[in-house]
Amino acid sequence: NAGVTQTPKFQVLKTGQSMTLQCAQDMNHEYMSWYRQDPGMGLRLIHYSVGAGITDQGEVPNGYNVSRSTTEDFPLRLLSAAPSQTSVYFCASRRDRAYEQYFGPGTRLTVT
Amino acid sequence: QQQVKQSPQSLIVQKGGISIINCAYENTAFDYFPWYQQFPGKGPALLIAIRPDVSEKKEGRFTISFNKSAKQFSLHIMDSQPGDSATYFCAASTLTGGGNKLTFGTGTQLKVEL
Repeated sequence: NAGVTQTPKFQVLKTGQSMTLQCAQDMNHEYMSWYRQDPGMGLRLIHYSVGAGITDQGEVPNGYNVSRSTTEDFPLRLLSAAPSQTSVYFCASRRDRAYEQYFGPGTRLTVT
Repeated sequence: QQQVKQSPQSLIVQKGGISIINCAYENTAFDYFPWYQQFPGKGPALLIAIRPDVSEKKEGRFTISFNKSAKQFSLHIMDSQPGDSATYFCAASTLTGGGNKLTFGTGTQLKVEL
């Protein structure tokens, strides 16, 4: 099992550009989520999904879109990147009704 | 609103010493309290977790102490080693209401010196 995988590992964008951060898991987990990690602020939930076709907002959803067409994949889209979105992004997954979440290795995004 | 408060922000401990990190929470609906360990350039990895029906859980050198009435929990690392140098996050969540969205503390950077 590869677990939770994320691509790319690093990305630099210019303000206003768009991009998609990819996340995939091979554990057949129903629940997937995206967090951003900023210094001194811990990890904050952006969006999450409880299954294919079902998504919802987390704590800091503005500027991000998600969709969940398959159980395995949960991409995060930045429609118009802003310097405030410079962060490290983590994808996580877990089984439905389970507590333990598994995190991917992260994507470090810089917006100039 | 910071629902899980973590301290200290950074900690330096001598090899063989005890590292202690504290967290306090506000939401009494939380019923799962994990600690995550994160090395530079890596994602957080679950280290140890506790449910509120017990006051202590030990796994090897790592122990969680839980005080339900005070709404506080802490991580103790016994015989701290240089390999324990990492950032530690406490978190809390609940499965009620179809949730289990982890709420994280702000993290503690631990450095264990020789």
